[in-house]
Amino acid sequence: QKEVEQDPGPLSVPEGAIVSLNCTYSNSAFQYFMWYRQYSRKGPELLMYTYSSGNKEDGRFTAQVDKSSKYISLFIRDSQPSDSATYLCATHNYGQNFVFGPGTRLSVLP
Amino acid sequence: SQTIHQWPATLVQPVGSPLSLECTVEGTSNPNLYWYRQAAGRGLQLLFYSVGIGQISSEVPQNLSASRPQDRQFILSSKKLLLSDSGFYLCAWSVTSSYEQYFGPGTRLTVT
Repeated sequence: QKEVEQDPGPLSVPEGAIVSLNCTYSNSAFQYFMWYRQYSRKGPELLMYTYSSGNKEDGRFTAQVDKSSKYISLFIRDSQPSDSATYLCATHNYGQNFVFGPGTRLSVLP
Repeated sequence: SQTIHQWPATLVQPVGSPLSLECTVEGTSNPNLYWYRQAAGRGLQLLFYSVGIGQISSEVPQNLSASRPQDRQFILSSKKLLLSDSGFYLCAWSVTSSYEQYFGPGTRLTVT
């Protein structure tokens, strides 16, 4: 079983839609959960992070972690064509390396 | 502010040729440094990480090697490239006890 799993997509939505991106992880020791956005042919950029369970909101983006089910979500409200990218979830625990999911490719159609 | 540089941006090399990719970080001291490879449509594979000068840990056995000759310089090398070495190589840095990891712009390597 992979440590972090993610539906690779592609996921296509119309502009203005609410997007839900999800990951599952297997190691209950993970404490930090991150979402990265990667545009084509660019390096990933840190978008949001959460520590342990709970929600975190930043503008149109909401990150959610449910440690009981080992489930990570990223919601994008009022999606824009500029949100078209690959979204990578990642986990991390102090003293350990970062573990990334394979990424979900999102296309927001104007 | 911190900045991470990688070069070259694009590289096309024949099978059996050597490789040297360089990564430098500015604006921070004693960072943890990482080399990842991202194959088309796949996730990030951690190749090497370093917590200090001369300290390199390898995650995956392969024909690649890494070196850290200076605090903020990380080099990925190979003596003889294989076709399977093609991919997008990313350097990243973080600080100990932080969840934040920052990536460079990447090097796209094509082995022909």
